[in-house]
Amino acid sequence: GDSVTQMEGPVTLSEEAFLTINCTYTATGYPSLFWYVQYPGEGLQLLLKATKADDKGSNKGFEATYRKETTSFHLEKGSVQVSDSAVYFCALHTGNQFYFGTGTSLTVIP
Amino acid sequence: DADVTQTPRNRITKTGKRIMLECSQTKGHDRMYWYRQDPGLGLRLIYYSFDVKDINKGEISDGYSVSRQAQAKFSLSLESAIPNQTALYFCATSDSPGGQRGPYNEQFFGPGTRLTVL
Repeated sequence: GDSVTQMEGPVTLSEEAFLTINCTYTATGYPSLFWYVQYPGEGLQLLLKATKADDKGSNKGFEATYRKETTSFHLEKGSVQVSDSAVYFCALHTGNQFYFGTGTSLTVIP
Repeated sequence: DADVTQTPRNRITKTGKRIMLECSQTKGHDRMYWYRQDPGLGLRLIYYSFDVKDINKGEISDGYSVSRQAQAKFSLSLESAIPNQTALYFCATSDSPGGQRGPYNEQFFGPGTRLTVL
């Protein structure tokens, strides 16, 4: 069945470090791919998305490219800030259901 | 005002009690979902509804029931709460495929309800 596997955390980085959070998926058809972010005490909110192969989603300095050949959608940011500390979820949408990864907790220290 | 609201935000109850969690949305979306979040397990789908007359079980529906009272309201009930239902519960909405935002539409989440069953 459809599923998402993402890098386990927690991840701790110093401010201005480079971030990569890996995400791979299994899906039939042509899913859309998403990254959601959850700040402490809040619900999930959309960070970025890509709807077809080779699309690049970007927002707030974060980027992810939909790679069909490697079934991946890795999240990257060139220089993290303390305010990026949150839990990040990779997700896919097949048209009827959404499937989420287990989440990766990121802590950025000054 | 928030587009997706959940009440209550926190609830502590005892084993065997009946609990209802409520969700309302002002986004005009047809689709609504209930998830629970547990540490290390991510989000797991409990129930989802594609319109008022269409309700479907998700991955972990046992011990839960739902009611879609209107397009904007979707309630989750625990008929007889047990301690392993202690979790963070989220309601979410999304537009239908082919709606105004296109075929693949993201979900919008409420702020969550933290439920503790003693």
